[in-house]
Amino acid sequence: DAKTTQPPSMDCAEGRAANLPCNHSTISGNEYVYWYRQIHSQGPQYIIHGLKNNETNEMASLIITEDRKSSTLILPHATLRDTAVYYCIVRVGVKTSGSRLTFGEGTQLTVNP
Amino acid sequence: DAGVTQSPTHLIKTRGQQVTLRCSPKSGHDTVSWYQQALGQGPQFIFQYYEEEERQRGNFPDRFSGHQFPNYSSELNVNALLLGDSALYLCASSSGTGSLTGNTIYFGEGSWLTVV
Repeated sequence: DAKTTQPPSMDCAEGRAANLPCNHSTISGNEYVYWYRQIHSQGPQYIIHGLKNNETNEMASLIITEDRKSSTLILPHATLRDTAVYYCIVRVGVKTSGSRLTFGEGTQLTVNP
Repeated sequence: DAGVTQSPTHLIKTRGQQVTLRCSPKSGHDTVSWYQQALGQGPQFIFQYYEEEERQRGNFPDRFSGHQFPNYSSELNVNALLLGDSALYLCASSSGTGSLTGNTIYFGEGSWLTVV
């Protein structure tokens, strides 16, 4: 799986959009971009994933550049409860052996009141 | 719809002892993976079970073993515990019979193991 690079920490004001970047310059054509977050002492929570098109769900939006070498996770209206470590992961969508995720260091997002 | 459930939530063991952690996957999921997360680090993949067989394994010694039952639930066993085995152990589940598109992996809340 391709390696990802994320800033170690970011701050965001409550109510504002949080934009978390991720570089994955060695991503292969069949690798998906996944985002998870982990609130202190809890299990990682799935946020969103995509292949090449931008994706949106009730939690966030995922913007993937046209060359797929980077992506941005957008939390449109950050709240204090969004304070967490955010992990960007790229992996192949394999039918029977695809539950292995390689976690990097992630980005510690702190939402300030 | 129950998510991934793990037990126990916390436990304390002595060096040299053995521990068994349990996981029930999300309804409809048949693939279970285990991860170890040391304090301040990201989760590290231990192994994955599908159709009651170990399918992939990370860089962990043979002291770490597992099992998957016909109902898809799973156990993680760690023998000869070391102080360094103290960590949060996470179970993740997914559907191994899904399409070739990216399948979503869901995590449980984990089991905190302290070795003293």
